[in-house]
Amino acid sequence: DTGVSQNPRHKITKRGQNVTFRCDPISEHNRLYWYRQTLGQGPEFLTYFQNEAQLEKSRLLSDRFSAERPKGSFSTLEIQRTEQGDSAMYLCASSSARGTSPLHFGNGTRLTVT
Amino acid sequence: GQNIDQPTEMTATEGAIVQINCTYQTSGFNGLFWYQQHAGEAPTFLSYNVLDGLEEKGRFSSFLSRSKGYSYLLLKELQMKDSASYLCAVRDRGGNNRKLIWGLGTSLAVNP
Repeated sequence: DTGVSQNPRHKITKRGQNVTFRCDPISEHNRLYWYRQTLGQGPEFLTYFQNEAQLEKSRLLSDRFSAERPKGSFSTLEIQRTEQGDSAMYLCASSSARGTSPLHFGNGTRLTVT
Repeated sequence: GQNIDQPTEMTATEGAIVQINCTYQTSGFNGLFWYQQHAGEAPTFLSYNVLDGLEEKGRFSSFLSRSKGYSYLLLKELQMKDSASYLCAVRDRGGNNRKLIWGLGTSLAVNP
């Protein structure tokens, strides 16, 4: 078990471009979460998968954001037509179905939109 | 409303003990987590409390009082590497972590 893996670690893009991030969760975890975090803030929930099903999406998330987990393993988060306000750390986390299971975070993808 | 309060910053000396407090007001309660986050890195799980009392794990302990909506994280024998942000998060209902409510974190500086 190598933990939650995210790629890339850093992404710099120009406003208006599309970006895609990948997350590989801990293999036995069926729950996967995407969060966004800016400096001095706690993580902000974006979306949640149980296996391949996307069960919840934050109302704060615009339709420029989409996430998939096609085979219930890795997940991708795509941001279309990026804006400067999208600059943040994007964190992926996974957990098991046990009630007490904590979130295990990946190292995140830091997005900078210029 | 849902709210979690933590001090913004704390300073302590290497080898000392520090207590980081967290108070919460949530519509429900189904567990409280403490995470450690070093600058530029992801949060790392430290502890979980769902029942009242103290949970000890090495140099770190976490306490919960549900009736008071209060928790603290106690760090003993502080080391320089303990300089980090400490995040308190409450699961307000159910067993699913998507309902976690996060504090803004307490930035701890450990000085020699």
